[in-house]
Amino acid sequence: KAGVTQTPRYLIKTRGQQVTLSCSPISGHRSVSWYQQTPGQGLQFLFEYFSETQRNKGNFPGRFSGRQFSNSRSEMNVSTLELGDSALYLCASSLGESLHEQFFGPGTRLTVL
Amino acid sequence: AQKITQTQPGMFVQEKEAVTLDCTYDTSDPSYGLFWYKQPSSGEMIFLIYQGSYDQQNATEGRYSLNFQKARKSANLVISASQLGDSAMYFCAMSRYNFNKFYFGSGTKLNVKP
Repeated sequence: KAGVTQTPRYLIKTRGQQVTLSCSPISGHRSVSWYQQTPGQGLQFLFEYFSETQRNKGNFPGRFSGRQFSNSRSEMNVSTLELGDSALYLCASSLGESLHEQFFGPGTRLTVL
Repeated sequence: AQKITQTQPGMFVQEKEAVTLDCTYDTSDPSYGLFWYKQPSSGEMIFLIYQGSYDQQNATEGRYSLNFQKARKSANLVISASQLGDSAMYFCAMSRYNFNKFYFGSGTKLNVKP
């Protein structure tokens, strides 16, 4: 069974631009979560989508948004990029019902110049 | 709110020895799950082990075991017979039972010496 895939793996953007990251979950998984990892703040939860609906949300500004498609693939968008948005963005998928381990993708490393 | 604390920023262990990575948590929910993940330098998070709050037995997965002490709110990871490939960052995480929202600790960097 294929794992979680994320594209692109690396991105370089400049301040003010916007970016879209993509995540394909493990087949059969209906939940996709997004995390931001930085050296200073560690791993922080952004949001979770389940069956195309945002089910949980972290404490990030509205510049961070996401969506999930009917095939469970998810995209995350960051608008008006700031230097502080430079981070490793990790996507995780799980079955979604009750509580299950999350399986992570390799991440997208975003650098904002 | 949920909080995870890992007090060991870095640790060294000799190859083939056992090592314990500490994790304490804080929650008022009676139903929750505790997880450990390994993150090698490549960046990908690898799931290691899971413990449910109502599980009576400590979880084990191969060389990994979770020392769950509910009253003390601790969920330490024990790695037996350390290998060089175990050198990585290790994260403890928790989630409430019906909320797929993981809270992570700050991590412990484990270095296995030959």
